[in-house]
Amino acid sequence: GENVEQHPSTLSVQEGDSAVIKCTYSDSASNYFPWYKQELGKRPQLIIDIRSNVGEKKDQRIAVTLNKTAKHFSLHITETQPEDSAVYFCAEATGGGADGLTFGKGTHLIIQP
Amino acid sequence: GAVVSQHPSWVICKSGTSVKIECRSLDFQATTMFWYRQFPKQSLMLMATSNEGSKATYEQGVEKDKFLINHASLTLSTLTVTSAHPEDSSFYICSALRTNGELFFGEGSRLTVL
Repeated sequence: GENVEQHPSTLSVQEGDSAVIKCTYSDSASNYFPWYKQELGKRPQLIIDIRSNVGEKKDQRIAVTLNKTAKHFSLHITETQPEDSAVYFCAEATGGGADGLTFGKGTHLIIQP
Repeated sequence: GAVVSQHPSWVICKSGTSVKIECRSLDFQATTMFWYRQFPKQSLMLMATSNEGSKATYEQGVEKDKFLINHASLTLSTLTVTSAHPEDSSFYICSALRTNGELFFGEGSRLTVL
């Protein structure tokens, strides 16, 4: 993978509202797109991932969409809760991740009560 | 999910000394492990790819003689920061690749060099 641009760097939403974080990538060979959640001082935790053969994947309140033509993918969190507050990183890789991940700069998601 | 254990979780050392950090995959074999560095409020930067039984592959700008990586078994990779200096202070995180392509991270090791 090459560069990954992630936006926004900070996102504040009201509890119960939806949050969307977007990433764009440049390597057309990228085929694996995971999202990680990192709480302060802790390890990144995989929350959802998508491979290039699908356009959307959903797991309860979390969904990821992938647009290969436009080279962007997004994380959608619905019905946000205080425990969703964390830093979220997108990442991309070629070879399904076997060669390592390239991470975006992260989005600090703040859920306002 | 799979468990990756990293030790120590934090370490303080004097400038000029060497520090070893261990990364273990506890319930699966990992032929490939990765070492990342993370500065405060920044993203994870890949330092090197550690392959069991062979030399590590370092990312551009990472000094291989300073950050020694050994992946002697399918469950253990070690990162040794040699002759540490204050600028080496950082959060170091390892990850292990499972055969199904999933990547699991260790807890991270916070290194402070005085």
